Amino acid sequence: AIQLTQSPSSLSASVGDRVTITCRASQGISSALAWYQQKPGKSPKLLIYDASSLETGVPSRFSGSGSGTDFTLTISSLQPEDFATYYCQQFNNYPITFGGGTKVEIK
Amino acid sequence: QVQLGESGGGVVQPGGSLRLSCAASGFTFSLYGMYWVRQAPGKGLEWVAYIQFDGYIKQYADSVKGRFTISRDNSLNTVSLQMNSLRLEDTAVYYCAKPTPGAPPKSLDSWGQGTLVTVYS
Repeated sequence: AIQLTQSPSSLSASVGDRVTITCRASQGISSALAWYQQKPGKSPKLLIYDASSLETGVPSRFSGSGSGTDFTLTISSLQPEDFATYYCQQFNNYPITFGGGTKVEIK
Repeated sequence: QVQLGESGGGVVQPGGSLRLSCAASGFTFSLYGMYWVRQAPGKGLEWVAYIQFDGYIKQYADSVKGRFTISRDNSLNTVSLQMNSLRLEDTAVYYCAKPTPGAPPKSLDSWGQGTLVTVYS
Protein backbone atom coordinates (compact mmCIF):
# COMPACT_ATOMS: atom_id res chain seq x y z
CA ALA A 1 0.00 0.00 0.00
CA ILE A 2 1.13 3.53 -0.74
CA GLN A 3 1.89 5.43 2.45
CA LEU A 4 1.28 9.16 2.68
CA THR A 5 3.31 11.06 5.24
CA GLN A 6 2.06 14.52 6.17
CA SER A 7 4.15 17.11 7.92
CA PRO A 8 3.89 18.74 10.26
CA SER A 9 1.31 16.80 12.26
CA SER A 10 0.26 20.06 13.86
CA LEU A 11 1.11 23.72 13.64
CA SER A 12 0.19 26.97 15.32
CA ALA A 13 -0.33 30.02 13.17
CA SER A 14 -1.88 33.46 13.28
CA VAL A 15 -4.57 34.97 11.10
CA GLY A 16 -2.92 36.30 7.96
CA ASP A 17 -0.01 33.85 8.05
CA ARG A 18 1.05 31.82 5.04
CA VAL A 19 0.78 28.12 5.88
CA THR A 20 2.31 25.20 3.98
CA ILE A 21 1.54 21.53 4.60
CA THR A 22 3.46 18.77 2.87
CA CYS A 23 2.45 15.26 1.86
CA ARG A 24 5.02 12.70 0.74
CA ALA A 25 4.03 9.46 -0.99
CA SER A 26 6.04 6.27 -0.53
CA GLN A 27 6.00 5.79 -4.30
CA GLY A 28 5.06 7.90 -7.30
CA ILE A 29 1.38 8.68 -7.71
CA SER A 30 1.54 11.10 -10.63
CA SER A 31 -0.95 13.86 -9.73
CA ALA A 32 -3.61 11.59 -8.18
CA LEU A 33 -3.73 13.47 -4.89
CA ALA A 34 -6.53 15.32 -3.13
CA TRP A 35 -6.65 17.57 -0.07
CA TYR A 36 -9.50 17.78 2.43
CA GLN A 37 -10.38 20.04 5.32
CA GLN A 38 -12.20 18.68 8.35
CA LYS A 39 -13.57 20.64 11.28
CA PRO A 40 -14.50 18.98 14.60
CA GLY A 41 -17.70 16.97 14.37
CA LYS A 42 -18.03 17.60 10.64
CA SER A 43 -17.48 15.58 7.48
CA PRO A 44 -14.37 16.18 5.38
CA LYS A 45 -14.62 18.83 2.68
CA LEU A 46 -12.78 18.56 -0.63
CA LEU A 47 -10.39 21.44 -1.30
CA ILE A 48 -8.01 20.32 -4.05
CA TYR A 49 -8.07 17.43 -6.54
CA ASP A 50 -5.57 16.32 -9.15
CA ALA A 51 -2.89 17.78 -6.88
CA SER A 52 -3.51 21.38 -7.98
CA SER A 53 -7.12 21.84 -9.14
CA LEU A 54 -9.26 23.98 -6.86
CA GLU A 55 -12.67 22.52 -6.09
CA THR A 56 -15.58 24.76 -7.04
CA GLY A 57 -16.48 27.17 -4.27
CA VAL A 58 -13.19 26.83 -2.39
CA PRO A 59 -11.48 30.18 -1.71
CA SER A 60 -8.51 31.00 -3.92
CA ARG A 61 -6.23 31.38 -0.89
CA PHE A 62 -5.99 27.57 -0.99
CA SER A 63 -3.62 26.09 -3.55
CA GLY A 64 -1.97 22.75 -4.19
CA SER A 65 1.16 21.74 -6.04
CA GLY A 66 3.40 18.79 -6.70
CA SER A 67 3.52 15.54 -8.61
CA GLY A 68 5.16 12.17 -8.22
CA THR A 69 5.94 11.82 -4.53
CA ASP A 70 6.01 15.35 -3.07
CA PHE A 71 2.98 17.57 -2.67
CA THR A 72 2.07 20.75 -0.84
CA LEU A 73 -1.08 22.49 0.29
CA THR A 74 -0.66 26.23 0.80
CA ILE A 75 -3.00 28.67 2.49
CA SER A 76 -1.79 32.09 1.38
CA SER A 77 -3.40 34.12 4.17
CA LEU A 78 -4.89 32.11 7.01
CA GLN A 79 -8.43 33.08 7.97
CA PRO A 80 -10.28 32.29 11.23
CA GLU A 81 -12.45 29.71 9.47
CA ASP A 82 -9.37 27.81 8.25
CA PHE A 83 -8.47 26.43 11.65
CA ALA A 84 -9.10 22.74 11.09
CA THR A 85 -7.40 19.44 10.29
CA TYR A 86 -6.18 18.83 6.75
CA TYR A 87 -5.72 15.45 5.07
CA CYS A 88 -4.12 14.37 1.82
CA GLN A 89 -5.43 11.32 -0.04
CA GLN A 90 -4.06 9.32 -2.96
CA PHE A 91 -6.26 7.77 -5.62
CA ASN A 92 -3.50 6.29 -7.78
CA ASN A 93 -3.76 2.74 -6.50
CA TYR A 94 -5.96 0.62 -4.28
CA PRO A 95 -5.97 0.60 -1.36
CA ILE A 96 -6.81 4.30 -1.35
CA THR A 97 -4.86 5.87 1.48
CA PHE A 98 -4.93 9.07 3.53
CA GLY A 99 -2.19 10.98 5.23
CA GLY A 100 -2.22 11.16 9.00
CA GLY A 101 -3.55 14.71 9.07
CA THR A 102 -2.25 18.16 9.98
CA LYS A 103 -4.04 20.11 12.68
CA VAL A 104 -3.87 23.86 12.18
CA GLU A 105 -4.38 25.69 15.46
CA ILE A 106 -4.58 29.31 16.50
CA LYS A 107 -1.38 30.82 17.85
CA GLN B 1 -27.76 19.39 -4.62
CA VAL B 2 -26.02 16.17 -3.70
CA GLN B 3 -27.19 14.63 -0.46
CA LEU B 4 -25.87 11.52 1.24
CA GLY B 5 -27.43 10.20 4.42
CA GLU B 6 -26.04 7.28 6.40
CA SER B 7 -28.04 5.19 8.84
CA GLY B 8 -27.74 1.95 10.75
CA GLY B 9 -25.01 2.74 13.22
CA GLY B 10 -25.22 1.67 16.84
CA VAL B 11 -23.64 -0.30 19.63
CA VAL B 12 -22.73 -3.94 19.07
CA GLN B 13 -20.66 -6.53 20.89
CA PRO B 14 -17.47 -7.97 19.42
CA GLY B 15 -18.30 -10.67 16.91
CA GLY B 16 -21.63 -9.08 16.13
CA SER B 17 -23.03 -7.69 12.90
CA LEU B 18 -24.41 -4.40 11.70
CA ARG B 19 -25.68 -3.15 8.35
CA LEU B 20 -25.13 0.45 7.33
CA SER B 21 -27.06 2.17 4.57
CA CYS B 22 -26.50 5.36 2.65
CA ALA B 23 -29.33 7.08 0.79
CA ALA B 24 -28.23 9.26 -2.11
CA SER B 25 -30.02 12.03 -3.98
CA GLY B 26 -29.27 15.02 -6.18
CA PHE B 27 -27.18 13.16 -8.77
CA THR B 28 -27.47 10.22 -11.16
CA PHE B 29 -26.55 7.55 -8.62
CA SER B 30 -26.30 4.71 -11.15
CA LEU B 31 -23.41 6.44 -12.95
CA TYR B 32 -21.09 6.69 -9.93
CA GLY B 33 -18.99 4.31 -7.95
CA MET B 34 -19.44 4.83 -4.21
CA TYR B 35 -17.14 4.68 -1.22
CA TRP B 36 -17.20 4.03 2.50
CA VAL B 37 -14.60 5.79 4.66
CA ARG B 38 -14.32 5.55 8.43
CA GLN B 39 -12.77 7.56 11.22
CA ALA B 40 -12.01 6.11 14.63
CA PRO B 41 -12.52 8.48 17.57
CA GLY B 42 -9.77 11.10 17.58
CA LYS B 43 -8.01 9.44 14.64
CA GLY B 44 -7.54 10.02 10.92
CA LEU B 45 -9.50 8.89 7.89
CA GLU B 46 -9.38 5.30 6.61
CA TRP B 47 -10.85 4.10 3.32
CA VAL B 48 -12.99 0.98 3.85
CA ALA B 49 -14.67 -0.11 0.62
CA TYR B 50 -15.56 0.82 -2.95
CA ILE B 51 -18.24 -0.40 -5.34
CA GLN B 52 -18.34 0.31 -9.05
CA PHE B 53 -21.36 2.06 -10.56
CA ASP B 54 -22.91 -1.24 -11.70
CA GLY B 55 -21.90 -3.23 -8.63
CA TYR B 56 -19.62 -5.60 -10.53
CA ILE B 57 -16.30 -4.44 -9.06
CA LYS B 58 -15.75 -4.14 -5.33
CA GLN B 59 -12.61 -3.28 -3.41
CA TYR B 60 -11.90 -3.56 0.31
CA ALA B 61 -9.28 -2.44 2.74
CA ASP B 62 -7.25 -5.36 4.08
CA SER B 63 -8.50 -4.55 7.59
CA VAL B 64 -12.10 -5.44 6.64
CA LYS B 65 -11.66 -7.92 3.79
CA GLY B 66 -13.65 -11.09 4.39
CA ARG B 67 -15.76 -9.45 7.11
CA PHE B 68 -17.44 -6.49 5.37
CA THR B 69 -19.51 -6.57 2.17
CA ILE B 70 -20.44 -3.53 0.13
CA SER B 71 -23.52 -3.59 -2.10
CA ARG B 72 -25.81 -1.19 -3.88
CA ASP B 73 -29.35 -0.90 -5.20
CA ASN B 74 -29.51 1.50 -8.12
CA SER B 75 -33.31 1.35 -8.16
CA LEU B 76 -33.39 2.74 -4.61
CA ASN B 77 -30.26 4.94 -4.85
CA THR B 78 -28.70 3.27 -1.86
CA VAL B 79 -25.33 1.80 -1.00
CA SER B 80 -24.91 -0.53 1.96
CA LEU B 81 -22.14 -1.95 4.09
CA GLN B 82 -22.75 -5.28 5.79
CA MET B 83 -20.33 -5.60 8.69
CA ASN B 84 -19.81 -9.02 10.25
CA SER B 85 -17.43 -10.33 12.89
CA LEU B 86 -17.04 -6.84 14.27
CA ARG B 87 -13.97 -6.02 16.34
CA LEU B 88 -13.22 -3.34 18.91
CA GLU B 89 -11.02 -1.60 16.32
CA ASP B 90 -13.99 -1.20 13.95
CA THR B 91 -15.38 1.46 16.28
CA ALA B 92 -15.62 4.60 14.14
CA VAL B 93 -17.80 7.08 12.36
CA TYR B 94 -18.60 5.61 8.96
CA TYR B 95 -19.07 7.97 6.02
CA CYS B 96 -20.35 7.24 2.56
CA ALA B 97 -18.86 9.41 -0.15
CA LYS B 98 -19.30 10.18 -3.83
CA PRO B 99 -16.36 10.67 -6.20
CA THR B 100 -15.81 13.62 -8.48
CA PRO B 101 -17.09 13.07 -12.02
CA GLY B 102 -14.81 11.34 -14.50
CA ALA B 103 -12.83 8.15 -14.71
CA PRO B 104 -10.75 7.15 -12.96
CA PRO B 105 -12.07 8.82 -9.81
CA LYS B 106 -9.70 11.41 -8.38
CA SER B 107 -11.26 12.57 -5.14
CA LEU B 108 -14.42 12.49 -3.05
CA ASP B 109 -16.49 15.62 -3.54
CA SER B 110 -19.52 14.81 -1.37
CA TRP B 111 -19.72 13.14 2.02
CA GLY B 112 -22.57 12.14 4.27
CA GLN B 113 -22.82 13.25 7.88
CA GLY B 114 -21.58 9.88 9.10
CA THR B 115 -23.02 7.19 11.36
CA LEU B 116 -21.29 6.01 14.54
CA VAL B 117 -20.54 2.35 15.06
CA THR B 118 -19.40 1.37 18.55
CA VAL B 119 -18.11 -2.13 19.20
CA TYR B 120 -18.22 -2.54 22.94
CA SER B 121 -17.80 -5.47 25.27
